[in-house]
Amino acid sequence: EVQLVESGGGLVKPGGSLRLSCAASGFTFSSYSMNWVRQAPGKGLEWVSSISSSSSYIYYADSVKGRFTISRDNAKNSLYLQMNSLRAEDTAVYYCASHVAQGLWGRGTLVTVSS
Amino acid sequence: DIQMTQSPSSLSASVGDRVTITCRASQGISNYLAWYQQKPGKVPKLLIYAASTLQSGVPSRFSGSGSGTDFTLTISSLQPEDVATYYCQKYNSVPYSFGQGTKLEIK
Repeated sequence: EVQLVESGGGLVKPGGSLRLSCAASGFTFSSYSMNWVRQAPGKGLEWVSSISSSSSYIYYADSVKGRFTISRDNAKNSLYLQMNSLRAEDTAVYYCASHVAQGLWGRGTLVTVSS
Repeated sequence: DIQMTQSPSSLSASVGDRVTITCRASQGISNYLAWYQQKPGKVPKLLIYAASTLQSGVPSRFSGSGSGTDFTLTISSLQPEDVATYYCQKYNSVPYSFGQGTKLEIK
């Protein structure tokens, strides 16, 4: 079955860190660029970060640049998002998503930043 | 950065109605435009990519058109299960911004 499964979300204090993981299966993960997209409670979708298939190209939204780091391990079919210096406004469901035209999204993992 | 603006922000229509949602880019993006449907509590679902290509498995009542700066998502005959929020997304270059969403309800 073709799927993406996120993990690693949870409750963290402001200024803290969290590492999200996304496990891919059922398709050739190493051939596709991947993305993280987030959605704050009751709000719209926000693109967070993208990484090319070989990790040669990495991009971030201005809102997370310098605090978040995207990476991938093609041998493990996994995508990661290291989140540092977390703020209350980072509270959201974080989705792992494939290249747009492939249309594959995970179910998301909730990150709550609160004291 | 290129801004994506959807209109209307909310819409109420009757079953069987033809519904059109518009997405406008502040600069040209060729046809690098996708449409998503998100039902309450669910994951966004890709409906259309490359402005007009229907994703596999999506009902044919959904269609997309446009190029450059102006795009439309059309539902030819609204069904009760189409109640959702719809988003457009540009993907020609980063940031891969989304529109603010259009909430569609049944009248």
